[in-house]
Amino acid sequence: AQSVAQPEDQVNVAEGNPLTVKCTYSVSGNPYLFWYVQYPNRGLQFLLKYITGDNLVKGSYGFEAEFNKSQTSFHLKKPSALVSDSALYFCAVRADTGGFKTIFGAGTRLFVKA
Amino acid sequence: DAGVTQSPTHLIKTRGQQVTLRCSPKSGHDTVSWYQQALGQGPQFIFQYYEEEERQRGNFPDRFSGHQFPNYSSELNVNALLLGDSALYLCASKGTSGGAGKTQYFGPGTRLLVL
Repeated sequence: AQSVAQPEDQVNVAEGNPLTVKCTYSVSGNPYLFWYVQYPNRGLQFLLKYITGDNLVKGSYGFEAEFNKSQTSFHLKKPSALVSDSALYFCAVRADTGGFKTIFGAGTRLFVKA
Repeated sequence: DAGVTQSPTHLIKTRGQQVTLRCSPKSGHDTVSWYQQALGQGPQFIFQYYEEEERQRGNFPDRFSGHQFPNYSSELNVNALLLGDSALYLCASKGTSGGAGKTQYFGPGTRLLVL
């Protein structure tokens, strides 16, 4: 069965500091991995994805994520946080073995303090 | 280029009633998925529609049903509403051409409150 774990309910970081939002996954077969961001009363906005190839994936708004197969992780990172990055972040996984279901983590709330 | 649109934005119903939510996919997309996002939780997969048929279903009861029209738009129907059905309902669309791992794009959601 597929699953996603986001071990931190909340991450606090000062503006200008690097940020990391953690994600680990479990899936049969090879994973397709995604990060989405959600602002209050809004739908989910796509940030980046890993399908195959380079383990370091670059996405929107300066975010990047590193796929680590041995640790089954896909942590989201940004070198320098902005106050406007404060939002709810979701990691998601879909298997490449023919299923169509995307499984989301419970989300991590990011607070960036000025 | 319009993204994924959903209607209505908000809805209030009472227990036992039925509700229909609507979704228009992003231009060029032919696959629509529906998700339920309860307060404080991540989205939970309800089902996916492609070529007007339900292709896969999550762990939701038969009270949840859907439909996809020839123009790829979709409806989510929920019968016999329960208090626990109160949530944000998200529609997501993607294309199928060009290989696997296509990105889903989400609409703004419909917030349903069941009293």
